[in-house]
Amino acid sequence: NAGVTQTPKFQVLKTGQSMTLQCAQDMNHEYMSWYRQDPGMGLRLIHYSVGAGITDQGEVPNGYNVSRSTTEDFPLRLLSAAPSQTSVYFCASSYGQGASETQYFGPGTRLLVL
Amino acid sequence: AQTVTQSQPEMSVQEAETVTLSCTYDTSENNYYLFWYKQPPSRQMILVIRQEAYKQQNATENRFSVNFQKAAKSFSLKISDSQLGDTAMYFCAFMKGYNYGQNFVFGPGTRLSVLP
Repeated sequence: NAGVTQTPKFQVLKTGQSMTLQCAQDMNHEYMSWYRQDPGMGLRLIHYSVGAGITDQGEVPNGYNVSRSTTEDFPLRLLSAAPSQTSVYFCASSYGQGASETQYFGPGTRLLVL
Repeated sequence: AQTVTQSQPEMSVQEAETVTLSCTYDTSENNYYLFWYKQPPSRQMILVIRQEAYKQQNATENRFSVNFQKAAKSFSLKISDSQLGDTAMYFCAFMKGYNYGQNFVFGPGTRLSVLP
């Protein structure tokens, strides 16, 4: 049971490049989400999914796309990277939608956009 | 909109002593949950403790306990018998009612250093 995995661990992009941050979980969790972490601001929600085929926007969705074709995977796409997207990105999952369900976080992806 | 404030950017404590981290929040909701997450240098986010707003009794998990003051909208974390492994960033978080996603809000964090 690997939990929540994220790849890559670190990535450097040039402005305008595109890339996909991968997130996978093997716990059969319905709920998955993406956060970004910036200094002094805690974690902010980018997008989330309540099940395969269903996604919705969080607090800071601009510049990011997501899809959920399977229960296990929830990739985050940057179509045209900008320096403002330099951050640490965390994927999380939980079995249920309520606050009584523990969210499991991945190890994070550090992204640098030049 | 909900907001979470942690007024102590950094704190330090001697090993084996007790430390309290502060958290205040702003909401008009009556049903919600509060959390403390720990993020060690490995960057992994780890749930420390959770409190349901409808419960008057303060949550406790081993050396970690909270002081939940609903009227004052305060949710502090007390760490007893501090250990070197407690060195980490600590985030206070709020979730409104039963909803997932948009209603999960984090504070900016407090960096705790446990000194030998």
